[in-house]
Amino acid sequence: GAVVSQHPSWVICKSGTSVKIECRSLDFQATTMFWYRQFPKQSLMLMATSNEGSKATYEQGVEKDKFLINHASLTLSTLTVTSAHPEDSSFYICSAREGGQGHNEQFFGPGTRLTVL
Amino acid sequence: SQQGEEDPQALSIQEGENATMNCSYKTSINNLQWYRQNSGRGLVHLILIRSNEREKHSGRLRVTLDTSKKSSSLLITASRAADTASYFCATDALSSSNSGYALNFGKGTSLLVTP
Repeated sequence: GAVVSQHPSWVICKSGTSVKIECRSLDFQATTMFWYRQFPKQSLMLMATSNEGSKATYEQGVEKDKFLINHASLTLSTLTVTSAHPEDSSFYICSAREGGQGHNEQFFGPGTRLTVL
Repeated sequence: SQQGEEDPQALSIQEGENATMNCSYKTSINNLQWYRQNSGRGLVHLILIRSNEREKHSGRLRVTLDTSKKSSSLLITASRAADTASYFCATDALSSSNSGYALNFGKGTSLLVTP
């Protein structure tokens, strides 16, 4: 099956620093990538959708200047949490979908646990 | 984003019993999927049921979909302690930002299977 990787798997940083998380589709070309956030004991919330080569579309309530998303190639998307604060501590999960008709399945990365001190 | 409701929120059963989880959603969907997540870990895809399907089986899993009621159920038969996890339904539907189709997750059911 299709594999999506994330790096790093966990990160601890000081308040005010920026953190970049990478998401890669390893064996397919991901026309669309998604970023989700999951707080402890809660569900996954869609943050944004990005199509390769274009700007990401953010869900309501997600600050685009705080969560910078770049989808520069068909196999790589990055999420940068800028000026991170403790309330940004969460589990960030990316997902990728192949383009074209009939490609309905989203493949998920293993997640990145961010802890902001 | 439209988020489904799942019930129960938590379920505790003994090994060998069946576990049933329900999911309701609000908008039209392309398909509905069920995922499992062990504590603090990534998602494991269990099963996908398309909007024109009513029932699907995979091993000990049985999923039903009723698009008229906008609801789905996941049945795990002959449960095992290793089935202990959180289970989420996710609907493939237009995102609230209208950026295209995306999976929107329900709140999840926490299943505990005791030996």
